[in-house]
Amino acid sequence: KAGVTQTPRYLIKTRGQQVTLSCSPISGHRSVSWYQQTPGQGLQFLFEYFSETQRNKGNFPGRFSGRQFSNSRSEMNVSTLELGDSALYLCASSLLSDSSYEQYFGPGTRLTVT
Amino acid sequence: LAKTTQPISMDSYEGQEVNITCSHNNIATNDYITWYQQFPSQGPRFIIQGYKTKVTNEVASLFIPADRKSSTLSLPRVSLSDTAVYYCLVVGGNNAGNMLTFGGGTRLMVKP
Repeated sequence: KAGVTQTPRYLIKTRGQQVTLSCSPISGHRSVSWYQQTPGQGLQFLFEYFSETQRNKGNFPGRFSGRQFSNSRSEMNVSTLELGDSALYLCASSLLSDSSYEQYFGPGTRLTVT
Repeated sequence: LAKTTQPISMDSYEGQEVNITCSHNNIATNDYITWYQQFPSQGPRFIIQGYKTKVTNEVASLFIPADRKSSTLSLPRVSLSDTAVYYCLVVGGNNAGNMLTFGGGTRLMVKP
């Protein structure tokens, strides 16, 4: 079974631009969560989608948004990029929307904002 | 959400057993204890999960005392490839969504 895939793997953007990251979950998984990882703040939860509905949202500004499609693929968008948005963005999928179930993480997208 | 506390870093040598202890004093009745492993520039990987007593799989063992206020991840006979960051998480088994709260983790360095 193929794992979680994320595209692109690396991205360089300029401050003020916007970016869209994509995540394809494991086949059959309906829950997709997004995380931001930086050296200073560690791994932080952004939001979770289950059956196209956002179920949970972390403490991030409205510039960070996401959506999930009917095939469970998910995208996250960051508008008006800031230097501090440089991070590894990780996507995780799970069979169900219950944190006690194992989550499978993708390799991440490394975003650099200059 | 129960907060977890674990050592920032640990060193070990190849072939040794490594035990990483995590405290979670405010764990709730419905919560499980879960451990993830992360290598540099990769996403975390689920290692093991338990509710009480002892759980063992092909990778590790997890020991949870009766009061469940702490847990110990045991890695038998570590190798250089076990060098990674290990995260202890308390997760809610109440279908409240998939939000995982990661702490700082324990950076394990295995030396030859």
